[in-house]
Amino acid sequence: DAKTTQPPSMDCAEGRAANLPCNHSTISGNEYVYWYRQIHSQGPQYIIHGLKNNETNEMASLIITEDRKSSTLILPHATLRDTAVYYCIVRVASGANSKLTFGKGITLSVRP
Amino acid sequence: KAGVTQTPRYLIKTRGQQVTLSCSPISGHRSVSWYQQTPGQGLQFLFEYFSETQRNKGNFPGRFSGRQFSNSRSEMNVSTLELGDSALYLCASSFSQPAQFFGPGTRLTVL
Repeated sequence: DAKTTQPPSMDCAEGRAANLPCNHSTISGNEYVYWYRQIHSQGPQYIIHGLKNNETNEMASLIITEDRKSSTLILPHATLRDTAVYYCIVRVASGANSKLTFGKGITLSVRP
Repeated sequence: KAGVTQTPRYLIKTRGQQVTLSCSPISGHRSVSWYQQTPGQGLQFLFEYFSETQRNKGNFPGRFSGRQFSNSRSEMNVSTLELGDSALYLCASSFSQPAQFFGPGTRLTVL
């Protein structure tokens, strides 16, 4: 599986956009970029995923660079409830090798 | 739809005992995966079941096993418990990919 690199932590002010970076320079052509988050002691929550086009849903936007070697998760208006560990994962979409390999993630702290 | 449910939510066992954890996936989901989360090792993949067959397996000893029933419900078993097995055990289900949906987890404490 391709590996991802994320800074260990970042913070942002409530109401502002949170831009969470991720590097995945060895990503393969058939691997998607997934983002999950985990609020303390809860199960991880799926946020969004994409292959090469930018994606947006009700939770966030995912911006993937043209060379697919990095991506950014954008929370447009961060709230205190967005404080969590955010995991960037690359994996194939289906099949026997589609397990999620979690790294250490990035701890986002949203301050009032 | 109801989410992934896991039972029990909390469990205390002693070394040498065995334990069985249960996971009910989201209705219609046929794939169930199990993960172990500890402060030291983070989230680690245990195994995945699809249509009652183990499709993928992580690097855990044989004391960790699982199965899936015809209704997609899954159980995992840990035999001869060790102190290091204390962890949050998470179950995730999916429907022909791509996203996996996690349950709240079972917090296992081994004394």
